[in-house]
Amino acid sequence: EPEVTQTPSHQVTQMGQEVILRCVPISNHLYFYWYRQILGQKVEFLVSFYNNEISEKSEIFDDQFSVERPDGSNFTLKIRSTKLEDSAMYFCASSVTPPAYNEQFFGPGTRLTVL
Amino acid sequence: QKEVEQNSGPLSVPEGAIASLNCTYSDRGSQSFFWYRQYSGKSPELIMFIYSNGDKEDGRFTAQLNKASQYVSLLIRDSQPSDSATYLCAVEAGNKLVFGAGTILRVKS
Repeated sequence: EPEVTQTPSHQVTQMGQEVILRCVPISNHLYFYWYRQILGQKVEFLVSFYNNEISEKSEIFDDQFSVERPDGSNFTLKIRSTKLEDSAMYFCASSVTPPAYNEQFFGPGTRLTVL
Repeated sequence: QKEVEQNSGPLSVPEGAIASLNCTYSDRGSQSFFWYRQYSGKSPELIMFIYSNGDKEDGRFTAQLNKASQYVSLLIRDSQPSDSATYLCAVEAGNKLVFGAGTILRVKS
């Protein structure tokens, strides 16, 4: 069964460093998303991406965040200068159609720890 | 601000019982509604997707949607200890899902 994959599973970084989180969405999916979940809190939307453009972004997704689909399979989230409060689980998701019409499937997540 | 509200629980039910999980949402324009299950330290796993008023059944799971009341529920029949997890209600809001904080379900054997 096709699945979303994410690497690395755990990333430890120093405050102020840049990190890149990688995702491989399901191959026939066209819509891609990043969510995050701070420990003990709800899953929060960061950004949605379609046709090589950001469709929507949340207030959390400020100038230190960026997304890219560098090739036909990968979807990346970059955090330029990490802060302590960026420590969270980051989930990539993908869907065939927009959320109103179909399910989003989530990857296993990357646990980001900022020291 | 689009809101999705869930009772945090924990909801404790004995093995074999029916577990009833509830969710309300604020955005009347939302068309689709999702229930995800999340085990501790893991990613959300889709259980049910519903977009029409009424009931949708899949195995032991039944999702119920009432758009007039802005209410969606999940029933789990014949609950098993392996169903113990956090259940997340998610509501479509344009290009994203808005999640509730989740209800912790504990099924006791």
